[in-house]
Amino acid sequence: NAGVMQNPRHLVRRRGQEARLRCSPMKGHSHVYWYRQLPEEGLKFMVYLQKENIIDESGMPKERFSAEFPKEGPSILRIQQVVRGDSAAYFCASSQYDRAAINQPQHFGDGTRLSIL
Amino acid sequence: RKEVEQDPGPFNVPEGATVAFNCTYSNSASQSFFWYRQDCRKEPKLLMSVYSSGNEDGRFTAQLNRASQYISLLIRDSKLSDSATYLCVVILPTGGYNKLIFGAGTRLAVHP
Repeated sequence: NAGVMQNPRHLVRRRGQEARLRCSPMKGHSHVYWYRQLPEEGLKFMVYLQKENIIDESGMPKERFSAEFPKEGPSILRIQQVVRGDSAAYFCASSQYDRAAINQPQHFGDGTRLSIL
Repeated sequence: RKEVEQDPGPFNVPEGATVAFNCTYSNSASQSFFWYRQDCRKEPKLLMSVYSSGNEDGRFTAQLNRASQYISLLIRDSKLSDSATYLCVVILPTGGYNKLIFGAGTRLAVHP
């Protein structure tokens, strides 16, 4: 009964490198959401994806950040040319429905802690 | 104005105390409400949903006041294990789907 699986748990990159964060939703869930949490702050919505589609990327920085959720495989959040300010915890959540079940909560993965040297 | 506002705390209370957290939301179109709990460096976990009629789960009671756009969480007989950050979460129908908006959280520290 696997929940939302994220990897890696911790990722260290040097400035200018690329970071790839992976998220496998719960079985039967086809909706994936990425959030970023800076130290001492709340979760900030980044992007919402369904299989092969980006539904809402209004919370994602316009440059260097991209996300995908291919037909096969996990969702990927990609950060190019990382900077110190990208250091944060990145959480992925999944849900079974989007609008059909207004009271259905999202289930979160353990998160990836990204540290930029 | 933030979409969801919470007092960041920390609330430092002794074991056995009763403590209440408040949360206000700005968008009257918000439809569903939750409290999540987040332990240090861990993922948020759903604590309970919040209904207009109020709901209770053991030591935890959640209330919603739609007129005032206000949500509360009451914890009775606090335990050391209740120490965590409590996140107020609002569901807002947006562009055809339901978007979760998180408050920044209220920190609770229960001491012996």
